[in-house]
Amino acid sequence: QKEVEQNSGPLSVPEGAIASLNCTYSDRGSQSFFWYRQYSGKSPELIMFIYSNGDKEDGRFTAQLNKASQYVSLLIRDSQPSDSATYLCAVLTGSQGNLIFGKGTKLSVKP
Amino acid sequence: EPEVTQTPSHQVTQMGQEVILRCVPISNHLYFYWYRQILGQKVEFLVSFYNNEISEKSEIFDDQFSVERPDGSNFTLKIRSTKLEDSAMYFCASSGHGGGTDTQYFGPGTRLTVL
Repeated sequence: QKEVEQNSGPLSVPEGAIASLNCTYSDRGSQSFFWYRQYSGKSPELIMFIYSNGDKEDGRFTAQLNKASQYVSLLIRDSQPSDSATYLCAVLTGSQGNLIFGKGTKLSVKP
Repeated sequence: EPEVTQTPSHQVTQMGQEVILRCVPISNHLYFYWYRQILGQKVEFLVSFYNNEISEKSEIFDDQFSVERPDGSNFTLKIRSTKLEDSAMYFCASSGHGGGTDTQYFGPGTRLTVL
């Protein structure tokens, strides 16, 4: 059974701080990793994807991948109250790219 | 910006009734997916669809479920005889070329409530 694990939180950070979200996955053959943001009652919204080991930066967001440790993380710099949401880690599997999601980490950014 | 659309936004039905959830994927996308999310739980894959046939399906996608692309734009999920445990948010997603480097874009979802 392929699994994606995340701390459910809530993770609370003050406005302007760095939020660090972590994810581990069980399938060592996984190649593609995604972070989605989900506001309450809404659909997942893609933030970033990463395929290669190392860091990938996009604005205030940095995704980090370590395939040897089967670990993916998302850093959010200069956190804003509007970043308050649940962050979903997803791993691509299957021949047609089916996503396996973690349960998500709830982030709360306090003004 | 192109987006995936879904109708209805909320569907209420009686147990045992059939429901059809509708999706319009992004127009030049070729791969289509249905996921569901029971309240408070994680998003779960149901089925993927390409070239007018099912590519993969999960254990959840049993004989009560079916998918169809009836025309060039719509992609539907049918639940033949709904159960209480089918109550969930159902998300449609689409991607351009599938495979290991593609990204999936999600629609706003249909909230299904089975009474």
